[in-house]
Amino acid sequence: QVQLQESGPGLVKPSETLSLTCTVSGDSIRSYSWSWIRQSPGKGVEWIGNFFYSGSTNYNPSLKSRVTISGDTSKNQFSLKLSSVTAADTAVYYCARGGGNYLVDYWGQGTLVTVSS
Amino acid sequence: EIVLTQSPATLSLSPGERATLSCRASQSVSSYLAWYQQKPGQAPRLLIYDASNRATGIPARFSGSGSGTDFTLTISSLEPEDFAVYYCQQRSNWLLTFGGGTKVDIK
Repeated sequence: QVQLQESGPGLVKPSETLSLTCTVSGDSIRSYSWSWIRQSPGKGVEWIGNFFYSGSTNYNPSLKSRVTISGDTSKNQFSLKLSSVTAADTAVYYCARGGGNYLVDYWGQGTLVTVSS
Repeated sequence: EIVLTQSPATLSLSPGERATLSCRASQSVSSYLAWYQQKPGQAPRLLIYDASNRATGIPARFSGSGSGTDFTLTISSLEPEDFAVYYCQQRSNWLLTFGGGTKVDIK
């Protein structure tokens, strides 16, 4: 069974970079597509972007200038970096299998990230 | 960006009743529409994919229909564990989008 687990700081200061890691078990990130998705009361559920082992990525245009998603096959992990954060980036962040044109079928449990000084 | 509009925002029903949830897309998504259930403090769970296919382990009381721009999720007889928020999502376009959700609560 595929399992995903997010990890990273729960509190980030404004203007800094939010960094999260997703550890995958039960599948290899060499296959399929892997995404970051966030959820906040104000913006609902928002797809941030996805990553393929080949190195290709797709990002939501609303965040594209601030987002980087990358993978580490040696650890079977993929990561999210979101720069220049503001309070509007406060949300529960999920990693998930799928995204882009691929079905999103497995989700991590989510991690709350608060942007505050 | 494909916008998904869900209605109603809230559906108040009793256990045993039938629930009908709607999702409308701003342009055709063919059959690339999925439905998710989310309970408080949990991640969304995949219920239906490609408009009408139940995901693994999903009870038969959940069914999906539609194509193009209009989709429906039906719960034939509500069980106590079905009271939750439901989201639709499209993957027709690489820019995944979600609907705003329908909350099914207990009347």
